[in-house]
Amino acid sequence: GQQVMQIPQYQHVQEGEDFTTYCNSSTTLSNIQWYKQRPGGHPVFLIQLVKSGEVKKQKRLTFQFGEAKKNSSLHITATQTTDVGTYFCAGASGYSTLTFGKGTMLLVSP
Amino acid sequence: DSGVTQTPKHLITATGQRVTLRCSPRSGDLSVYWYQQSLDQGLQFLIQYYNGEERAKGNILERFSAQQFPDLHSELNLSSLELGDSALYFCASSVSLESSPLHFGNGTRLTVT
Repeated sequence: GQQVMQIPQYQHVQEGEDFTTYCNSSTTLSNIQWYKQRPGGHPVFLIQLVKSGEVKKQKRLTFQFGEAKKNSSLHITATQTTDVGTYFCAGASGYSTLTFGKGTMLLVSP
Repeated sequence: DSGVTQTPKHLITATGQRVTLRCSPRSGDLSVYWYQQSLDQGLQFLIQYYNGEERAKGNILERFSAQQFPDLHSELNLSSLELGDSALYFCASSVSLESSPLHFGNGTRLTVT
């Protein structure tokens, strides 16, 4: 079945440093979604990417979908303590249900 | 607030028991999903319902079952509980069958002692 791998599993940065998490799928995806889960909270939808090579920005967050639609990345510029949480990517092929990666836990020290 | 309501928030029960978790989807959403989240295991997809019918099954144990009612709320039944079933159970809803964004509830934390 479809597998979605996410790295790194964990990253600890100083406030102001950049952060990137990577997502790789074993199959070609029709779309990829990113979610953020704050400590003690529930996953919250951030964005969906559909097109090959697509790049979307949300303030300090930049999301990319690979040309082959098998990988994606989330880059945060100049992290803040409010960025703390676990970031999940989730991919789907056609009408299949979303497959979530195991997430990258981000810790930001002031 | 995602608009998805899950009850109860916390549940503590003993091994061998049976519990029911309840979920009301966001208004207008026809699809309901159940996920299990354990430490180091990420979000494990259990089952999906769409407009009352089962649409997809993931890693759901035979001891677990679910249903979606005509008013679109859903229940997840967990029976013969084991210590390893202790986890956070999330319900999520979406508008359609296609992979539209999921809106998660606050989850039910189940502790089996």
